[in-house]
Amino acid sequence: GAGVSQSPRYKVAKRGQDVALRCDPISGHVSLFWYQQALGQGPEFLTYFQNEAQLDKSGLPSDRFFAERPEGSVSTLKIQRTQQEDSAVYLCASSLGTGQGGEQYFGPGTRLTVT
Amino acid sequence: GIQVEQSPPDLILQEGANSTLRCNFSDSVNNLQWFHQNPWGQLINLFYIPSGTKQNGRLSATTVATERYSLLYISSSQTTDSGVYFCAGTGFQKLVFGTGTRLLVSP
Repeated sequence: GAGVSQSPRYKVAKRGQDVALRCDPISGHVSLFWYQQALGQGPEFLTYFQNEAQLDKSGLPSDRFFAERPEGSVSTLKIQRTQQEDSAVYLCASSLGTGQGGEQYFGPGTRLTVT
Repeated sequence: GIQVEQSPPDLILQEGANSTLRCNFSDSVNNLQWFHQNPWGQLINLFYIPSGTKQNGRLSATTVATERYSLLYISSSQTTDSGVYFCAGTGFQKLVFGTGTRLLVSP
């Protein structure tokens, strides 16, 4: 079956612009995660949804970052007034259940460059 | 929170050689995964292995949960094995990643 998909794959934004990144999880997966990966680093957690409920947003770096999953499927990560330090790869992952520590599957990522 | 350490940070191998990558974690985990990040940035699932031993072709992994470490074995390495290998663990939901092992396999 289809894996996790993300769009766009690449995004260049001028500093101060707003961007929206989309994630389509594996069909039927209840849990959805966003991670940020800076160059040369491992991915770092941003936020977690269980169906449409955002249960953990402790990793969002500032109030310029906002995520939603209104119907419990597709999710959007929005970054307002982008800054150069927001340049990174944004990864989405999904997991089948809601239990502790289920296997997560990752999308190809969106590479954001802020100029 | 959980901390994950990986070693070695860098590894250069001749094609055909074997290697062992190690992952130590600071607390008990409910999930332990190994990934291969290819040159295009895609994270490919290798193993979901909270405990025990699994094998998939030339790759195998062992997690000793009581001692808080996991090992990834690569046998008869190929140039296509090059890339970054990450382990990641979680106590509840979010994965905490190590800093990765950068592997280069030369022909």
